[in-house]
Amino acid sequence: ETGVTQTPRHLVMGMTNKKSLKCEQHLGHNAMYWYKQSAKKPLELMFVYSLEERVENNSVPSRFSPECPNSSHLFLHLHTLQPEDSALYLCASSQGARGAGNTIYFGEGSWLTVV
Amino acid sequence: AQSVTQPDIHITVSEGASLELRCNYSYGATPYLFWYVQSPGQGLQLLLKYFSGDTLVQGIKGFEAEFKRSQSSFNLRKPSVHWSDAAEYFCAVYGQNFVFGPGTRLSVLP
Repeated sequence: ETGVTQTPRHLVMGMTNKKSLKCEQHLGHNAMYWYKQSAKKPLELMFVYSLEERVENNSVPSRFSPECPNSSHLFLHLHTLQPEDSALYLCASSQGARGAGNTIYFGEGSWLTVV
Repeated sequence: AQSVTQPDIHITVSEGASLELRCNYSYGATPYLFWYVQSPGQGLQLLLKYFSGDTLVQGIKGFEAEFKRSQSSFNLRKPSVHWSDAAEYFCAVYGQNFVFGPGTRLSVLP
């Protein structure tokens, strides 16, 4: 039990599909993150939300659309993805997006395969 | 800008042997430092963190790390490795934001 729950754990989707990844944190944190982890590549920060406001967007293609309806939930909406988008998508949370003593806690990840 | 390097991409040790994973960072001030572990198919789990104070920090699963300011290093150690320690290990730095190293994959021989 990590305190950050991601669903689904595995997702296979066609390039024309629309799907969503869901993340919920039970830690009372104010900031949530999406990271992408591909084989043989470093962790890539995609989006950061602080108090439900997007504070960082690292040049992510528009086929990835995040949504943060409240400080406990974060979604990643997926639309017309490419095979190279196949990866492990990690959700994380922290007490704040900035500030001293920050620690990030990760979920188990959602494995995405685009066919 | 801050950065993190983990010089070793892959390390193999025998079960029961000692382990040291290297991490070097670049940042203008003293950063906050972290080690995470990722087992196959799983997310990242926090092993330990350094914010201030004693430069030798203890973590979970018998791991420890030592912050050396003069060397800009935060190496992870374990005196006796168990087969279940086989995983990917990530060093991370928080200065202005979180930056993760590329990871070191640990294999354990029986």
